[in-house]
Amino acid sequence: KAGVTQTPRYLIKTRGQQVTLSCSPISGHRSVSWYQQTPGQGLQFLFEYFSETQRNKGNFPGRFSGRQFSNSRSEMNVSTLELGDSALYLCASSEGLAEYNEQFFGPGTRLTVL
Amino acid sequence: AQSVTQLGSHVSVSEGALVLLRCNYSSSVPPYLFWYVQYPNQGLQLLLKYTTGATLVKGINGFEAEFKKSETSFHLTKPSAHMSDAAEYFCAVSDLRAAGNKLTFGGGTRVLVKP
Repeated sequence: KAGVTQTPRYLIKTRGQQVTLSCSPISGHRSVSWYQQTPGQGLQFLFEYFSETQRNKGNFPGRFSGRQFSNSRSEMNVSTLELGDSALYLCASSEGLAEYNEQFFGPGTRLTVL
Repeated sequence: AQSVTQLGSHVSVSEGALVLLRCNYSSSVPPYLFWYVQYPNQGLQLLLKYTTGATLVKGINGFEAEFKKSETSFHLTKPSAHMSDAAEYFCAVSDLRAAGNKLTFGGGTRVLVKP
């Protein structure tokens, strides 16, 4: 099976712009989670989607949003970009919602905000 | 709220020496515990996990970890380091009170292996 794919791999944006990141989960996986990774804050949970519904949400401002499509592919959007949004954004997929499930991570999208 | 503490942001070991990475968690209920590894410019890969049952868990690449409830710890070990073990390692817990796959990660430990 193909792994989790994320596009694009690299992005450069300027402050105030918005950005959309895409994640395609492993075939058959219905749960998609998003994480932000920065040197200062480490790995932080953004949100999780299952069957097109947001199931969990982390402590991020409303500028961060996401959605999931019927084929389980997911997108996350960040509006009004700030310098602090520069980070590696990781997507992970899992078969279901059970807490013991293994999550498979994609290679990430590295976002740089200038 | 759950939290995970990894003692030591950087660890340097000689090739062939023991690798020991420490992880302590704080949770009102025993969580599920995970160790992930991240190589440069890559995502995270699961090394091993503890859910229930045997407290000594064996993972990939010769790593193992022991869950000690009394010490709220889940330390990761490998008897003999290899150059390919140079990477960053993350301990994580899953919140059993929130249905789903939300993980809380520790700050990570970067391992340097010296020849």
